[in-house]
Amino acid sequence: AQKVTQAQTEISVVEKEDVTLDCVYETRDTTYYLFWYKQPPSGELVFLIRRNSFDEQNEISGRYSWNFQKSTSSFNFTITASQVVDSAVYFCALIRSGYSTLTFGKGTMLLVSP
Amino acid sequence: NAGVTQTPKFQVLKTGQSMTLQCAQDMNHEYMSWYRQDPGMGLRLIHYSVGAGITDQGEVPNGYNVSRSTTEDFPLRLLSAAPSQTSVYFCASSYLAGAQPQHFGDGTRLSIL
Repeated sequence: AQKVTQAQTEISVVEKEDVTLDCVYETRDTTYYLFWYKQPPSGELVFLIRRNSFDEQNEISGRYSWNFQKSTSSFNFTITASQVVDSAVYFCALIRSGYSTLTFGKGTMLLVSP
Repeated sequence: NAGVTQTPKFQVLKTGQSMTLQCAQDMNHEYMSWYRQDPGMGLRLIHYSVGAGITDQGEVPNGYNVSRSTTEDFPLRLLSAAPSQTSVYFCASSYLAGAQPQHFGDGTRLSIL
């Protein structure tokens, strides 16, 4: 069975601080995909990034960056120079190759104060 | 292009009542799923479908029923609502299994009194 662990339940930072959200996963599959979703206070789920298990290259998109390490089964998400608009719940999720359903972590609530 | 549409957005039920949460997508996606979101629990899979006429159970299927008569629609039925089913329900769809990110509806907030 798959499992995704987001050990940080809630993180509070002050604007402009950098923050890293941790994600550790478990799967026996060799091919799988990892995702990060953002859920702002309005409630919708916003797709941020997908990474497949064969691509360990880190990715940067503006203030967001992702660090995927198969050796530690981690897919961490860093926000640089956080802003109040980054306040949201962030979910890490895994999907097995050939399957259509996600296994989610419990989420990390990020609160960025001015 | 509407994407994934869930109705209603909010609903209050009394214990024992039945209702159907609607989910429709206009992207010709084969794969559709229902998740529930509870505080501190993340999203958990209720039921899913890999195509019209094919459904299967997820992690928390008890008390829910689904059917998939068309590619576009995937309704979730609560047979006899219980307070434990108070939750936010999300419907999702995708064109391919695995690789593609899932498209989520905006959710249905359901309260059972």
